[in-house]
Amino acid sequence: DTGVSQDPRHKITKRGQNVTFRCDPISEHNRLYWYRQTLGQGPEFLTYFQNEAQLEKSRLLSDRFSAERPKGSFSTLEIQRTEQGDSAMYLCASSSAGGLLETQYFGPGTRLLVL
Amino acid sequence: TQLLEQSPQFLSIQEGENLTVYCNSSSVFSSLQWYRQEPGEGPVLLVTVVTGGEVKKLKRLTFQFGDARKDSSLHITAAQPGDTGLYLCAGGNYGGATNKLIFGTGTLLAVQP
Repeated sequence: DTGVSQDPRHKITKRGQNVTFRCDPISEHNRLYWYRQTLGQGPEFLTYFQNEAQLEKSRLLSDRFSAERPKGSFSTLEIQRTEQGDSAMYLCASSSAGGLLETQYFGPGTRLLVL
Repeated sequence: TQLLEQSPQFLSIQEGENLTVYCNSSSVFSSLQWYRQEPGEGPVLLVTVVTGGEVKKLKRLTFQFGDARKDSSLHITAAQPGDTGLYLCAGGNYGGATNKLIFGTGTLLAVQP
């Protein structure tokens, strides 16, 4: 396994611009999560995919946010009309099975700064 | 809304000292996980505990899940500079549509040589 990868690692954008992040999970992991982490805080759940189906979205995910996982492989998270409050680390995690002992493997994150 | 509070928020100690980090909630969780996160990286899983009262040891780290499965503690013996990082507890609820994790507020540990 090469681990979960995320691209880009860093993104600086101006308020009002759209941004898109990509997550490549560990191959054959059918479960994929997106979390958001602001400075000094723990990650907060955003959304979850099982294969290509988006099964849960947090209330944190406003209408400006959209996530996809076509073909159940990589996933993208798009933020439209970015706001300064969107500045955070966006983390992706994947796992191969559910249950009590499920292990979510996290990627290195994409750090977004909205000016 | 389920919340996990960690204490202390910050901890700066000398190499060789012992420390305990606490993770508390008013909610019951099916499982409790501890992660360590280094700057600019994603969290890395240290341990998962699932049974009330369970104790797990990982070298110098000892993890305990409370009897009522609402709280947990992490004890580090003889801390080393390599233990420096952000320690996060996270609760999971098995049986729902997802195994999304509810993360605690984090404890930033700095071990001085």
